[in-house]
Amino acid sequence: GENVEQHPSTLSVQEGDSAVIKCTYSDSASNYFPWYKQELGKRPQLIIDIRSNVGEKKDQRIAVTLNKTAKHFSLHITETQPEDSAVYFCAASIGGTGTASKLTFGTGTRLQVTL
Amino acid sequence: DGGITQSPKYLFRKEGQNVTLSCEQNLNHDAMYWYRQDPGQGLRLIYYSQIVNDFQKGDIAEGYSVSREKKESFPLTVTSAQKNPTAFYLCASRRTVSNQPQHFGDGTRLSIL
Repeated sequence: GENVEQHPSTLSVQEGDSAVIKCTYSDSASNYFPWYKQELGKRPQLIIDIRSNVGEKKDQRIAVTLNKTAKHFSLHITETQPEDSAVYFCAASIGGTGTASKLTFGTGTRLQVTL
Repeated sequence: DGGITQSPKYLFRKEGQNVTLSCEQNLNHDAMYWYRQDPGQGLRLIYYSQIVNDFQKGDIAEGYSVSREKKESFPLTVTSAQKNPTAFYLCASRRTVSNQPQHFGDGTRLSIL
């Protein structure tokens, strides 16, 4: 089955700096890669996703890059703010219409943005 | 994600007791999922269902059971066979159109008395 590795497990940055979280996946058939943000005791919320037919996607201060050849994808957060502090999860799945399409999650990165 | 409702928010289980966690969605999603999250860890898939009256085991199904009698509902029973049930349980759903994201409920925190 799919295996997703995520690094680092913890990341501390100063407000205004950039943060980068990296994930690798094992199944070359995976074609959908979402990122979730989870605040303490709350539900994971989708912040950005990318499909295998594109290499990069941006949404304001957040961007995701995908390297299919190397089977890794990364989350980039620029101009970090204290409210960015949370646990971030990457995930991978093999998507297809009409399928339940299981997500395999990474183990999470705890991001702390300090003043 | 107000369309996915999990209840109760907190649940306590006694030794040898089965407990059932509720998950209801009004998003008209076909697929539904149950995950377990332990402190400081990622999400592990317990069971998932693509359509009514059909479900599959995930990575950690032992000690759990589910049913999918209605499209809107996917309850999870934590049986007495699950010896370490203390965790945060998350329900999710999605459309089965290709590569649509999963949306999560607010979770149920289960503890042993």
